Amino acid sequence: DVKVTQSSRYLVKRTGEKVFLECVQDMDHENMFWYRQDPGLGLRLIYFSYDVKMKEKGDIPEGYSVSREKKERFSLILESASTNQTSMYLCASRADRGGRPQHFGDGTRLSIL
Amino acid sequence: LAKTTQPISMDSYEGQEVNITCSHNNIATNDYITWYQQFPSQGPRFIIQGYKTKVTNEVASLFIPADRKSSTLSLPRVSLSDTAVYYCLVGDISNRGSTLGRLYFGRGTQLTVWP
Repeated sequence: DVKVTQSSRYLVKRTGEKVFLECVQDMDHENMFWYRQDPGLGLRLIYFSYDVKMKEKGDIPEGYSVSREKKERFSLILESASTNQTSMYLCASRADRGGRPQHFGDGTRLSIL
Repeated sequence: LAKTTQPISMDSYEGQEVNITCSHNNIATNDYITWYQQFPSQGPRFIIQGYKTKVTNEVASLFIPADRKSSTLSLPRVSLSDTAVYYCLVGDISNRGSTLGRLYFGRGTQLTVWP
């Protein structure tokens, strides 16, 4: 069974802080994704990575950056947290072979005060 | 990218079969249809995926007509634990496409199963 683990289920930070969200997958997947989920807006893609050290912007990359130094780990960084980044953050991974579905972690609920 | 339209909410009773239909009029040749299920405070969980005709697994069936402009997720004999949000997604899931396997989630269908 694929396991995608996000480091924290709940996190509270202050405005202006640099925030790190970590995601680890155990299936040697090439592709990894970060989404945020807000009520009424569904899931929106922030960044994705199709291989180590590779990254692509999603639909809402502003205010975020990512790091993929190892294949199993994909980090989302909020450079200077703001209150409008309070959200549920979801990480996903998938194998780089046609037709494979994405597997999601259980999310990190981040509150910026 | 094909846009999908699905009902915002549906209600059912335990033991009934539930069919959720998704419209995707602009589906492209390379697009697959994928359904996910999401419970509160959890990440989406893959249910089923198909390209055409009918696909069945231990959880659900997916019916896709010949024109592929819609699809129907069928859940047999639902139980209270099937209460969740169900997402229909359409996209080129292979990395050969320009979307690099990206998926676009809409608002989904809130299914509520009553005793």
